[in-house]
Amino acid sequence: GAGVSQTPSNKVTEKGKYVELRCDPISGHTALYWYRQSLGQGPEFLIYFQGTGAADDSGLPNDRFFAVRPEGSVSTLKIQRTERGDSAVYLCASSPGGGQDLVLTFGAGSRLTVL
Amino acid sequence: QKEVEQNSGPLSVPEGAIASLNCTYSDRGSQSFFWYRQYSGKSPELIMFIYSNGDKEDGRFTAQLNKASQYVSLLIRDSQPSDSATYLCAVREYNFNKFYFGSGTKLNVKP
Repeated sequence: GAGVSQTPSNKVTEKGKYVELRCDPISGHTALYWYRQSLGQGPEFLIYFQGTGAADDSGLPNDRFFAVRPEGSVSTLKIQRTERGDSAVYLCASSPGGGQDLVLTFGAGSRLTVL
Repeated sequence: QKEVEQNSGPLSVPEGAIASLNCTYSDRGSQSFFWYRQYSGKSPELIMFIYSNGDKEDGRFTAQLNKASQYVSLLIRDSQPSDSATYLCAVREYNFNKFYFGSGTKLNVKP
């Protein structure tokens, strides 16, 4: 697509529930990133995919968080047993595969509220 | 954890003035440096990037990089009320594709 698409734009859930957030990157972009942004903070790195594999998942806060990108395009961030502290905007970004001019283009984000 | 530090602001400047935004980073191995603008409730959008010491100009924006001092800045000339936003500094590690963000500086341009 023309830009990075994220769904849903807003998700309200109850503590303990399971949530999936979807990201459709720019067509042809091989790198895909997930970030989390809390109010008043900068984006916090979660995980980065190069193609289908997670190249770096060191930012995932704990084992309740998991992300997949099975065909090297769309990615899904999965959060199990949600907690109130998971409330944030989850940003997806994509980038061409590499090179010195590697830049991130962000989607509009998915705002997650855990009640 | 790599650190990217920014003054949270708010930085207030009158319309038409030069706004100067600053960022320091902890990792000397950092390779590329980015400035993103984020309007309230919106996602970050890229303004410009720089990877060589010195200045890089793009319209009203100038990025300045000093690797020895681990310092990068963004100058906005002829500031407009529409420039009012939070400006995020981001740093990319050398040989890695991970980007670290500062917490942003809020800029208010007063008409």
